[in-house]
Amino acid sequence: DTGVSQDPRHKITKRGQNVTFRCDPISEHNRLYWYRQTLGQGPEFLTYFQNEAQLEKSRLLSDRFSAERPKGSFSTLEIQRTEQGDSAMYLCASSPRLAGGRNEQFFGPGTRLTVL
Amino acid sequence: DAKTTQPNSMESNEEEPVHLPCNHSTISGTDYIHWYRQLPSQGPEYVIHGLTSNVNNRMASLAIAEDRKSSTLILHRATLRDAAVYYCILRDSAGGTSYGKLTFGQGTILTVHP
Repeated sequence: DTGVSQDPRHKITKRGQNVTFRCDPISEHNRLYWYRQTLGQGPEFLTYFQNEAQLEKSRLLSDRFSAERPKGSFSTLEIQRTEQGDSAMYLCASSPRLAGGRNEQFFGPGTRLTVL
Repeated sequence: DAKTTQPNSMESNEEEPVHLPCNHSTISGTDYIHWYRQLPSQGPEYVIHGLTSNVNNRMASLAIAEDRKSSTLILHRATLRDAAVYYCILRDSAGGTSYGKLTFGQGTILTVHP
């Protein structure tokens, strides 16, 4: 399978615990995005990496959230001191470096987080 | 990214054509029109995109109004597998600091009846 993969697919945690999600993009894609999706809403942008550099962070990404992409390959998204409001689907997407607004993004299946 | 407006839901019968509208009256000259869809319990997937001319691919057709203020995604023969949320998104090709992020609205929930 050469698509975007995410691990774990589901995570249930207690409020206050830390969680970490992993995303493996399509190997030749240098752009990587994280989105969050709550029930009934469209995905919302969280952060963007170009290779290993984190170039944009949404205001949605509070201090409890941190993302990394070491060596420009896989990426991790960590949430510290989880809150019930963090319950959502966390989606990762990757895209190749193409000019302009033409490049499509390839999404993974997502990690569904439930905070009890 | 500029805002788009879509109906909340639409229904279709299997094997009939479906026309999904999108209004984007504030579109700029450098905005591409992208469509993604999200099947139940899956991440979004790219469907089609265009700038000015109508576009066709194996999944769908995109009809763009002459003034570019609206567009229509056309599924020529709906199947049960096409039941999904369809998102119309504008992507700025002019560069800057948008970095290609997608700004999703609530989309149109398409129900396909057998």
